[in-house]
Amino acid sequence: SQKIEQNSEALNIQEGKTATLTCNYTNYSPAYLQWYRQDPGRGPVFLLLIRENEKEKRKERLKVTFDTTLKQSLFHITASQPADSATYLCALDLNSGNTPLVFGKGTRLSVIA
Amino acid sequence: DADVTQTPRNRITKTGKRIMLECSQTKGHDRMYWYRQDPGLGLQLIYYSFDVKDINKGEISDGYSVSRQAQAKFSLSLESAIPNQTALYFCATSDQGAPTDTQYFGPGTRLTVL
Repeated sequence: SQKIEQNSEALNIQEGKTATLTCNYTNYSPAYLQWYRQDPGRGPVFLLLIRENEKEKRKERLKVTFDTTLKQSLFHITASQPADSATYLCALDLNSGNTPLVFGKGTRLSVIA
Repeated sequence: DADVTQTPRNRITKTGKRIMLECSQTKGHDRMYWYRQDPGLGLQLIYYSFDVKDINKGEISDGYSVSRQAQAKFSLSLESAIPNQTALYFCATSDQGAPTDTQYFGPGTRLTVL
């Protein structure tokens, strides 16, 4: 069966450390993998995406990797800050033209000062 | 002004009532979506529409219906609301002409069914 899983519901880290969130999938072949941030009670906001033929993508303190062999994406926030506390969702973009994004359930990140 | 708006933002209703949640967008996108979100369950797709004449069921469409009145408007109806439809509802849009299906979400409607 097809699945998308984010490795943990919640992750607590100390301010200044690097947060690493994991997204795994089975029986999908995404053309892109997207990451969103969601604050409590608000809609998700797109952060960045990575293509299937890219190994790594960076945007400021964010880094995403994509391993199509392992069927896994890692999302890193370096020098984390309390303002980074939120839920982070990964989403598979199948680029099929007629299939919506497939979202993971998210990982709630808490950065402790 | 927000690109994707939802009305109402909060709604309390009683079991058996019919209610409508509305979504409007100024992004000029063809595709629109309705999701519900319950604590710990992530986003669940209810219905989606790839253009005005296209309506598709998502994973949890039972008990819901939609109307795509125009490119910019997509409404979600609960014909006879029940308490387990209490949730946070999000509308989203994406651009069919874009290389990726990045979605842009509205602020959400918090619905409580008593």
